[in-house]
Amino acid sequence: AQKVTQAQTEISVVEKEDVTLDCVYETRDTTYYLFWYKQPPSGELVFLIRRNSFDEQNEISGRYSWNFQKSTSSFNFTITASQVVDSAVYFCALSEAEDSNYQLIWGAGTKLIIKP
Amino acid sequence: DSGVTQTPKHLITATGQRVTLRCSPRSGDLSVYWYQQSLDQGLQFLIQYYNGEERAKGNILERFSAQQFPDLHSELNLSSLELGDSALYFCASGTGAPNYGYTFGSGTRLTVV
Repeated sequence: AQKVTQAQTEISVVEKEDVTLDCVYETRDTTYYLFWYKQPPSGELVFLIRRNSFDEQNEISGRYSWNFQKSTSSFNFTITASQVVDSAVYFCALSEAEDSNYQLIWGAGTKLIIKP
Repeated sequence: DSGVTQTPKHLITATGQRVTLRCSPRSGDLSVYWYQQSLDQGLQFLIQYYNGEERAKGNILERFSAQQFPDLHSELNLSSLELGDSALYFCASGTGAPNYGYTFGSGTRLTVV
């Protein structure tokens, strides 16, 4: 069955440190999509990135980078030189091409606290 | 602005009451998803509509119901409210394609007193 695991419930680092949020997924589908969303203290859910299963290229966007490894079924998210504004809950999610309802399977989220 | 509009943003009501949450999806999106997020909890999927028809049900209580109208906006009705129903209720919309993911509204914070 499909599943997304974010084993880190909460991470606390000091500003300017690098931090990696782990995401491990399970799926039987050969075509699937992975996502990261951010939920800052204000509460809204903000889309960060989507990645297709057939594209294993890592992606970098400013201080954010994502490492997708099919061999380990992981889609990890790294923030470089963290800032206080990065404090949020981060959710990883999976959708499968064979799911006609296109449901997103969500991880439990990782609460990231960046201390000044 | 994500393009998904949820109203109201905040709602305070008493136990036993009924409320209606409204969601207008992003232009062009046919799917609407409702989620509940209790304090410090993850996202609990409630229900999905696609082009006016119910597509999938999650952990939605019998006291809750939803519908999607011909203009694609959706309403989530919560009745006989209990203190435990206090939560953030999110609406998300999607194209119906698996590679797209969802666009979320800003949520409705419901407080039952």
